[in-house]
Amino acid sequence: EAGVVQSPRYKIIEKKQPVAFWCNPISGHNTLYWYLQNLGQGPELLIRYENEEAVDDSQLPKDRFSAERLKGVDSTLKIQPAELGDSAVYLCASSYSHGGELFFGEGSRLTVL
Amino acid sequence: GQQLNQSPQSMFIQEGEDVSMNCTSSSIFNTWLWYKQDPGEGPVLLIALYKAGELTSNGRLTAQFGITRKDSFLNISASIPSDVGIYFCAGLMDSNYQLIWGAGTKLIIKP
Repeated sequence: EAGVVQSPRYKIIEKKQPVAFWCNPISGHNTLYWYLQNLGQGPELLIRYENEEAVDDSQLPKDRFSAERLKGVDSTLKIQPAELGDSAVYLCASSYSHGGELFFGEGSRLTVL
Repeated sequence: GQQLNQSPQSMFIQEGEDVSMNCTSSSIFNTWLWYKQDPGEGPVLLIALYKAGELTSNGRLTAQFGITRKDSFLNISASIPSDVGIYFCAGLMDSNYQLIWGAGTKLIIKP
């Protein structure tokens, strides 16, 4: 069974440019998460989806970040415009339910210059 | 916001040694989870605990759900080089299904 797939693995952009990350969760997993992880820290939730619905986006900086999960499968996370402080690893995870057993992708490492 | 206190922050150990790490919280959780993250990868679930007092093993790893529901412990017996990485604890809040993460314990094996 394929795991959570994320792309791109690495992205380098200049500040004020837009960037988008894509995630394909494990087939059958209804819950999808986007996390941000800074070096030496634990993951921080940005947004959680139950099917197509964003059920927890309280930590998403909505002035520059947006996300969508069309048809309740793939998801895209966008940053526009990017700032220097956005440099981090963006992790996507999925789970069958909201019980905490998450399966993570390899992450997308963003560097903003 | 909610926080988990995970300790130690890092550990230098000799191959073959046993390892212990723990997480504590001021809040009660009904589920505790332990994940491991290798460099350049996403975290991988090691053990999930669902009941206070529960002791669960996964190979050389053993985790316990504290009886107060405010803490959890992870032990690794007879460490090997592939145990190197960062171990995260996480507690699940049943009220809103938020997963609260610790800051991680970095395990380093002395050459």
